[in-house]
Amino acid sequence: NAGVTQTPKFQVLKTGQSMTLQCAQDMNHNSMYWYRQDPGMGLRLIYYSASEGTTDKGEVPNGYNVSRLNKREFSLRLESAAPSQTSVYFCASSEVMSAGGIGYTFGSGTRLTVV
Amino acid sequence: SQQGEEDPQALSIQEGENATMNCSYKTSINNLQWYRQNSGRGLVHLILIRSNEREKHSGRLRVTLDTSKKSSSLLITASRAADTASYFCATELQYNTDKLIFGTGTRLQVFP
Repeated sequence: NAGVTQTPKFQVLKTGQSMTLQCAQDMNHNSMYWYRQDPGMGLRLIYYSASEGTTDKGEVPNGYNVSRLNKREFSLRLESAAPSQTSVYFCASSEVMSAGGIGYTFGSGTRLTVV
Repeated sequence: SQQGEEDPQALSIQEGENATMNCSYKTSINNLQWYRQNSGRGLVHLILIRSNEREKHSGRLRVTLDTSKKSSSLLITASRAADTASYFCATELQYNTDKLIFGTGTRLQVFP
């Protein structure tokens, strides 16, 4: 099925552990994004990549790194997890729509708990 | 603070009633979009309204945009239990067009 695939769906980490969240899209979209969603906060942008080979910080980049491996894949790494990083993480890709403007396609999310 | 603030934060209605949720934003935009999120799932695009448009319809959805007040509303008519979800507005900024800024969302509960 075409779309955005995130792995894993669930993860529990201990404080200080590291992990990488994987994201892949098969829609040939140029731009990809990582957001985190916390109760009452909506979605906050962590990092984004406007094209293969480029990445930019979003609103809340501290504690995270990203890699745009190729056009399809955009990974998010937590080097030393902290309880404040407990959240639901969403990857998205975007295209320019026929009506104008960019439209997002989201993955189903990764629920991360740091204990 | 968030570019998009939505109210109410939560809304409960009966099936058949209309649901209205509002979004306010701070800076000039190219367009404003509404997304829906079912519990535990990713967001799904519903509708886009450009900055030079005032109203747009899609099925039971009606979106209005008032750029002078920097606000938008989403109306869902004749709601159904299946409309139960969270709804988010998202803005594409006029001078930063490569990403969307999401609001805080409205949680809609439609009772059968």
